[in-house]
Amino acid sequence: ETGVTQSPTHLIKTRGQQVTLRCSSQSGHNTVSWYQQALGQGPQFIFQYYREEENGRGNFPPRFSGLQFPNYSSELNVNALELDDSALYLCASSFYVAGGRNTQYFGPGTRLTVL
Amino acid sequence: DQQVKQNSPSLSVQEGRISILNCDYTNSMFDYFLWYKKYPAEGPTFLISISSIKDKNEDGRFTVFLNKSAKHLSLHIVPSQPGDSAVYFCAASRRSTGNQFYFGTGTSLTVIP
Repeated sequence: ETGVTQSPTHLIKTRGQQVTLRCSSQSGHNTVSWYQQALGQGPQFIFQYYREEENGRGNFPPRFSGLQFPNYSSELNVNALELDDSALYLCASSFYVAGGRNTQYFGPGTRLTVL
Repeated sequence: DQQVKQNSPSLSVQEGRISILNCDYTNSMFDYFLWYKKYPAEGPTFLISISSIKDKNEDGRFTVFLNKSAKHLSLHIVPSQPGDSAVYFCAASRRSTGNQFYFGTGTSLTVIP
């Protein structure tokens, strides 16, 4: 069984640039969630994708967008980067059943630094 | 608005003793709770969960207690081992938003040999 993988591990960008982060779900999972973890904070929910559509969104502006592909892998795109976007970005996958509760399994994260 | 709170940033415990990590929440609609453990440079690892229909769930050395009236949950680790040293996060969700989890800020546990 392959776990959740993310790429790249680290990334440095400058303010105003755009960034794309990638995630491969754990085998058998059909849902991907993205979280932002700032230093000293807990993960904050950005959004979730199920069947290639957004299935819930946290309190993040529209410049945070995502995609889920037919193989359940996913991308997180952030436009017009701001200094406060510097954080660890975590991807989590799960097997979603409507009305059920599903444990999310996390990848190791991508550390984004915005200068 | 921090709906899930872990008020102790750190905790030190002697090996073999009990570790008790606490978590409080403000949203009475939360009905599913999880604990995750995180080592440096790794993603959070699922430990144990509890539904609001229960007040206790055990898995080996780990037990989670839920007090709905106090909006409080705790994770007990008995006996504590040096390998348990990590940051522990509690997370909560509610049925209406399914898999959207709200995390606390974490408690760093150090188990002293």
